[in-house]
This record gives sequence, C-alpha cells and structure tokens, in this order.
Amino acid sequence: DVKVTQSSRYLVKRTGEKVFLECVQDMDHENMFWYRQDPGLGLRLIYFSYDVKMKEKGDIPEGYSVSREKKERFSLILESASTNQTSMYLCASSPASGGGSTDTQYFGPGTRLTVL
Amino acid sequence: SQKIEQNSEALNIQEGKTATLTCNYTNYSPAYLQWYRQDPGRGPVFLLLIRENEKEKRKERLKVTFDTTLKQSLFHITASQPADSATYLCALDSNYQLIWGAGTKLIIKP
Repeated sequence: DVKVTQSSRYLVKRTGEKVFLECVQDMDHENMFWYRQDPGLGLRLIYFSYDVKMKEKGDIPEGYSVSREKKERFSLILESASTNQTSMYLCASSPASGGGSTDTQYFGPGTRLTVL
Repeated sequence: SQKIEQNSEALNIQEGKTATLTCNYTNYSPAYLQWYRQDPGRGPVFLLLIRENEKEKRKERLKVTFDTTLKQSLFHITASQPADSATYLCALDSNYQLIWGAGTKLIIKP
C-alpha cells in the first residue's frame, strides 16, 4: 500500500528557530512536493522536486528551503521560523508521467506547525 | 487573474440524497481535473481524475463531470452516507503543477 510519512504530526517552535520537516515515501516516486494549507486557502506549493538533488520553487518559497539527497526523502527547512509560518504542512509524492504532466498525488498526514 | 473556486460554505445534505459540489475556474486550460477527499487533521486522498476530452467519469457512488466551455466540474455523491462527511478538494493541472481549490466541507446528516 502506498505510504507517505511525515516526521511529526504536531510541532511547536519559537520565532527564529531553524525547523526541519521530514517526508519519506516508499513508492519509488520521482516527484515530491511540499505544500502549506491555511483556512480558506487552497493548498499552496512551496517547493517540489522531480529527481534526487533537484528542486524547483513553487508559488511561495520565501523563507523556506528544501533538500532531496535520496529519492525517498524530501526535507523542508524553515531557516528562521516566523509566526506567519504557523500552518499545516503537507508532503506529497507522485510517479513521473510522460510529457512532464502531473499525476495523482499521494499525501502524508501533515504536520501542524505552530511558531510562537 | 487565474482562479479556482469552490463553495466556501459547508454543504448540508440529508442521508440518502445526492450531494453535488462545484469547482469553477477562470483563465486556465487544464488537460485534466482531479477530486480529493480530506478528513480533519489528515492529508487529501485522491478520488477521481477526469480528462478534458471526457464529459463524465464514475466510480461506485461518485460521479464527476467536466465542462471545458463552462470551465466547471461537478462532483456528485449519490445515496450519501454520514461517512461521506469530509472536505472535498478539486485540483487542476497548470504548467506541470496542480492548482488547488480551497475545498467544500460536506456534512451528511443522518
């Protein structure tokens, strides 16, 4: 069965702290994504990756960075956490599709991050 | 500007009736559109994908339609059950990414 796991369900950090969110998928998918989800807004793409060591900015990359050293693992880093980064963070993966189009995405359970 | 809109108000439906959710978009030309279900505190789960050349897609009690002229997709759940209560998200493809609606909360009352 398809599985995407995230390192924490709930996380509380202080302003200015460096925060690491880890995501692991066991489906051998090429594509991985990080989103944030806020009430009343759709999922907003932060970063995505089509291959190991490859990353692309999404719609809201400011204040975030990512790392993909292995195919199954995609990490999101908040270099200096701020209160406006309090949100639900969702990781997803999808298999590579022909022509570069996006396929069905499989999501982890999410990490609810609170920055005080 | 580009927008994808779903009804932000919760939809209350009596058990056994058909629930219909709407997804409208502007200034996109998607090759396909997807519907996902999201339960509280969980990530979205894929339900159905419909391509631009398909008018309708069915899966058990679920039916999706896609009208590229109206720029609208409708998502139907027939014989609705309390277990169908969740938030339903639509997503369309644009530049090799998925663009997401904010979702509609569906409440099925017994």
